[in-house]
Amino acid sequence: GIQVEQSPPDLILQEGANSTLRCNFSDSVNNLQWFHQNPWGQLINLFYIPSGTKQNGRLSATTVATERYSLLYISSSQTTDSGVYFCAVELGTGGFKTIFGAGTRLFVKA
Amino acid sequence: TAGITQAPTSQILAAGRSMTLRCTQDMRHNAMYWYRQDLGLGLRLIHYSNTAGTTGKGEVPDGYSVSRANTDDFPLTLASAVPSQTSVYFCASSEAGGVLTFGAGSRLTVL
Repeated sequence: GIQVEQSPPDLILQEGANSTLRCNFSDSVNNLQWFHQNPWGQLINLFYIPSGTKQNGRLSATTVATERYSLLYISSSQTTDSGVYFCAVELGTGGFKTIFGAGTRLFVKA
Repeated sequence: TAGITQAPTSQILAAGRSMTLRCTQDMRHNAMYWYRQDLGLGLRLIHYSNTAGTTGKGEVPDGYSVSRANTDDFPLTLASAVPSQTSVYFCASSEAGGVLTFGAGSRLTVL
């Protein structure tokens, strides 16, 4: 089956720093989404980005589908950015089957 | 507030007992999903449904069953629970190929 790999697995930042999270996938996909899971366990969609670049405030994402990767950029990080970031891909076949990577755990220090 | 309701929020279950986790959405989404989340393993897809009346197996379907009798409800049943099914279970829904919306999760402990 498809492999979805995220890096780095863990990341510690000083407040105000920038970071880039990566998601690699091993097969063609219909779409890709980024999620943030806050320390209380709530999962919130950040981006729906099958290709191209999108920006939302301090966050932006780029997906290069032909090269099978996506990047999530966090600029001027804040302590509220802490949590786990997941990418999820919808497989190219089989309906709306959506598979998650193992996540990047981010801790932003004040 | 529109969204997904999961019940129960948490449950402790004796091994060998059966359990149904409930999931209801009010967004009229076609697709629904069940995931389990274990520390260090992210979210793994158990079962999914593209539309009412159809279901499909995910990455880890063994020991679980689902049904999709209507658009809004997607219950997950453990027929005979085992300790390895201790996890946090998330239900999600989406429009066809769209953004996933998640419920708050159900924490299940099997002893």
